[in-house]
Amino acid sequence: DVKVTQSSRYLVKRTGEKVFLECVQDMDHENMFWYRQDPGLGLRLIYFSYDVKMKEKGDIPEGYSVSREKKERFSLILESASTNQTSMYLCASSSTRNLDTTGELFFGEGSRLTVL
Amino acid sequence: DQQVKQNSPSLSVQEGRISILNCDYTNSMFDYFLWYKKYPAEGPTFLISISSIKDKNEDGRFTVFLNKSAKHLSLHIVPSQPGDSAVYFCAASGGSNYQLIWGAGTKLIIKP
Repeated sequence: DVKVTQSSRYLVKRTGEKVFLECVQDMDHENMFWYRQDPGLGLRLIYFSYDVKMKEKGDIPEGYSVSREKKERFSLILESASTNQTSMYLCASSSTRNLDTTGELFFGEGSRLTVL
Repeated sequence: DQQVKQNSPSLSVQEGRISILNCDYTNSMFDYFLWYKKYPAEGPTFLISISSIKDKNEDGRFTVFLNKSAKHLSLHIVPSQPGDSAVYFCAASGGSNYQLIWGAGTKLIIKP
């Protein structure tokens, strides 16, 4: 079974703090994604990566950055956390770039971040 | 402007009856549609998908119907079971951007 592990299930941070969210997958997937989930808005793509050291902006990249130094690990960084970044953050991986073929994303359990 | 809309935030269905979850989309370039299921404190898991070349896809108790002219798809669960209680997300992809566009989700509650 594919396993996507997010390092922290719950975090509470203060405004202006730097926040790291870590994600590791164990199925040798090339493609990894960071989403945030907010009530009434569904899942919105922040950043994604198709290869090591490669990153592309999603729909809402402002205020975030990412790092992919190893194939299995994809980190999301909030350089200076703000209250509007309070959300559920979901990491996902897939074996194919073209989701039209398999369409299957494998998600981690999520990291709920509260910024005070 | 949401390209994928799930207009019902929640739906309550009696155990054993049919659950019908609806999803509308606006982008005619979408050609692949998926449903994901999410339990509290867990990540979404893939449930079923359909390509635009089909109008129906079945997998056990789950059937997805696609009406391209109406830009509408629906997920039918028959019979509904207590374990089906979850949030269901509709997602779409297509065109030059392979990324998924997600609906806001519908919370399904199955009453015993």
